[in-house]
Amino acid sequence: ENVLTQSPAIMSASPGEKVTMTCRANSSVSSSYLHWYQQKSGASPKLWIYSTSNLASGVPARFSGSGSGTSYSLTISSVEAEDAATYYCQQYSGYPLTFGAGTKLELK
Amino acid sequence: QIQLQQSGAELASPGASVTLSCKASGYTFTDHIMNWVKKRPGQGLEWIGRIYPVSGETNYNQKFMGKATFSVDRSSSTVYMVLNSLTSEDPAVYYCGRTTVVAPYAMDYWGQGTSVTVSS
Repeated sequence: ENVLTQSPAIMSASPGEKVTMTCRANSSVSSSYLHWYQQKSGASPKLWIYSTSNLASGVPARFSGSGSGTSYSLTISSVEAEDAATYYCQQYSGYPLTFGAGTKLELK
Repeated sequence: QIQLQQSGAELASPGASVTLSCKASGYTFTDHIMNWVKKRPGQGLEWIGRIYPVSGETNYNQKFMGKATFSVDRSSSTVYMVLNSLTSEDPAVYYCGRTTVVAPYAMDYWGQGTSVTVSS
């Protein structure tokens, strides 16, 4: 099983601040198979970034994704209040698909 | 519009089984693989497995083999998951999520989730 480790577990940011969260895999993941989801409290997850760097429909351009191999990241160029949520990375490099434990983004 | 409508909350006794459903609409049901994902309070997301609606073929996370069983009813565009021998490890919200054709193994539409409570 390819374990994904997300850091930090919790982060706090002020509106307008640039933030970056990371996702590290035990084994290499094809960039085509590394995805990010946003989940707000009480809601279902939403596909946010797919295949490392492609924004899902409706995702604001302030979000971006990058990475390769075992290290990936999600960056918000200028955080807004609506971005407060937990972000999960997910990978496929053979079964099972795995998710990271999530990074919870709080707004100051 | 595309929707995945999941069945309502379940309250079951330890050792019992529950059947969860996920009814798809707004797209060609057999064109997309359906996944099941577990979310426990305060914990991350956990992939249970997936089913190919066109064939009924399944892939399970080994951790859930013997715990979860998937099936499909193409006539009603519905997938099912049976959770058996419920224990204290099973209370969670269970989601179905559709695999997108654009990105391998990504899930672009999700159901609203079904809460499972286990209590005697």
